[in-house]
Amino acid sequence: AQSVAQPEDQVNVAEGNPLTVKCTYSVSGNPYLFWYVQYPNRGLQFLLKYITGDNLVKGSYGFEAEFNKSQTSFHLKKPSALVSDSALYFCAVRDGGAGSYQLTFGKGTKLSVIP
Amino acid sequence: DAGVTQSPTHLIKTRGQQVTLRCSPKSGHDTVSWYQQALGQGPQFIFQYYEEEERQRGNFPDRFSGHQFPNYSSELNVNALLLGDSALYLCASSRWGANYGYTFGSGTRLTVV
Repeated sequence: AQSVAQPEDQVNVAEGNPLTVKCTYSVSGNPYLFWYVQYPNRGLQFLLKYITGDNLVKGSYGFEAEFNKSQTSFHLKKPSALVSDSALYFCAVRDGGAGSYQLTFGKGTKLSVIP
Repeated sequence: DAGVTQSPTHLIKTRGQQVTLRCSPKSGHDTVSWYQQALGQGPQFIFQYYEEEERQRGNFPDRFSGHQFPNYSSELNVNALLLGDSALYLCASSRWGANYGYTFGSGTRLTVV
């Protein structure tokens, strides 16, 4: 079985400050990890993914995430937050080795960037 | 290049009725997955279709069924609707084999009253 935990329901950060949204995962095989963002009444927009290779992954809109195998974490980061980054963020995992194609999502973290 | 298209955007159904939701995948994609996102929750996997066959299924009852057509579009059918079926239903398309590049549609908001 695979699972994702996003320990913070909400993260508040001042505009211009760095932001971190936390994610830990559990999977039997090799983890394929994803971050998606959701704006109100919209679908999911892809931000970045880790499949293999460099542990630091750079994605859209200046976001990046670091894969840490020993801590089974994949935290989302951005050096300087914008008010327009305020949205709901989802971390997802897929077992890359099990022949399973389903994504398992966390419950989401609401990011609020304060002007 | 069109992304994933879902219809309708919103609909309201009465408990016990049946509903059909539709999805057209992104150009070049041949695999469609469906997810249910209840209010305040992350999306949950319902099932995935490739080559007109259900390839994998999540923990959903048989009231949830699907279909994929030769043009790769897909339908999600839900019978005997319950109040708890109220959710945002998301369609995601991908390429079989590549399968880690998922593109999501904007979803269909289903309200059961």
